[in-house]
Amino acid sequence: GAGVSQSPSNKVTEKGKDVELRCDPISGHTALYWYRQSLGQGLEFLIYFQGNSAPDKSGLPSDRFSAERTGGSVSTLTIQRTQQEDSAVYLCASSLGLAASYEQFFGPGTRLTVL
Amino acid sequence: AQSVTQLGSHVSVSEGALVLLRCNYSSSVPPYLFWYVQYPNQGLQLLLKYTSAATLVKGINGFEAEFKKSETSFHLTKPSAHMSDAAEYFCAVSEGMFNDMRFGAGTRLTVKP
Repeated sequence: GAGVSQSPSNKVTEKGKDVELRCDPISGHTALYWYRQSLGQGLEFLIYFQGNSAPDKSGLPSDRFSAERTGGSVSTLTIQRTQQEDSAVYLCASSLGLAASYEQFFGPGTRLTVL
Repeated sequence: AQSVTQLGSHVSVSEGALVLLRCNYSSSVPPYLFWYVQYPNQGLQLLLKYTSAATLVKGINGFEAEFKKSETSFHLTKPSAHMSDAAEYFCAVSEGMFNDMRFGAGTRLTVKP
């Protein structure tokens, strides 16, 4: 069956522009997560959704970052007025539920480069 | 808060040699522990996870990890490295929910012919 998909796979943008990153989770997965992976670093947790709700947005790096999920399915991560330090791979994951007894499935990521 | 330390950002082994990737964790409650593998330009794939059952956990591709509470460790091993094992490996800890999961910085494994 289809896994988690993300688009675009690569995005090059100029500093100051807005970007939208998309995540399509596995069908039926109620929980969805966004991570950021910077060069040579581990995964930084950004935000999670349970259904359409994001109870905790404190992991977002700044108020330029926002995320939404509609219909309990597709999610978009928006970065406004991009900065060079936003360059990273943005990974999305989904799972049947939030409990760690489930398995979390990752998408291939979107590589964002801000010039 | 829980955290993970991976010792060694880069490990190099010869094909056929033992693979040992080190992970130490910190958690205030019995943890869930995970090892993920990331191949170039791909997302993370679960290798194995510890959920308070058997302390020796067997995963995919011949990998296994042993939970040692006294040492707060969860090291990943494979008896004989294969060229296809070359990848980035991440250890992660959770106190029960994915939204509190924290990842280590990763260890890049290189396998020499």
